[in-house]
Amino acid sequence: GQQVMQIPQYQHVQEGEDFTTYCNSSTTLSNIQWYKQRPGGHPVFLIQLVKSGEVKKQKRLTFQFGEAKKNSSLHITATQTTDVGTYFCAVRRSNDYKLSFGAGTTVTVRA
Amino acid sequence: GAGVSQTPSNKVTEKGKYVELRCDPISGHTALYWYRQSLGQGPEFLIYFQGTGAADDSGLPNDRFFAVRPEGSVSTLKIQRTERGDSAVYLCASSLSIRAEAFFGQGTRLTVV
Repeated sequence: GQQVMQIPQYQHVQEGEDFTTYCNSSTTLSNIQWYKQRPGGHPVFLIQLVKSGEVKKQKRLTFQFGEAKKNSSLHITATQTTDVGTYFCAVRRSNDYKLSFGAGTTVTVRA
Repeated sequence: GAGVSQTPSNKVTEKGKYVELRCDPISGHTALYWYRQSLGQGPEFLIYFQGTGAADDSGLPNDRFFAVRPEGSVSTLKIQRTERGDSAVYLCASSLSIRAEAFFGQGTRLTVV
């Protein structure tokens, strides 16, 4: 089963608006990765966060790792139609090399 | 260079049959993962290899599922006595090291009829 919870499950966004999706774990994480899967495609790596409180930016995407290393967020500004897809977080717990995926947040964009 | 290659891309089999799914990872990647993804769900972990050995096979649903990686490169996922519930997309991923980013193949869509 899934070790992490992602919310919301679905995100319907007006083009140009911002939104945030969250990834929450009940246990402390070693690191967290974010992936994007386009419809009909395979997951593609976006970013990895390792340090407590770490913040990384990729153009309009901002990724944050919580201070307690139990949660993470992905914030997208000025949403574009190219942002359509499902965003997954994938986590490793301490002393565990298994990479476990959340259920994902599926994003649709209204032009 | 070439990415992760999975064959076949699609496989339709009859209930009760045996199937093999192949994964050819990126050259030099020591870590290899198998996942199963059903429609609308996230990838479900099956097994992880570090080199030739299965470092974690806790995700294999039952003893009908088995995977090998004899030379530390190509891996084969084997499913015996297939059931309709095995229908899903089977994804393979490889990474340069244990904690590095994972590169996914396009997947094998398995349909058991």
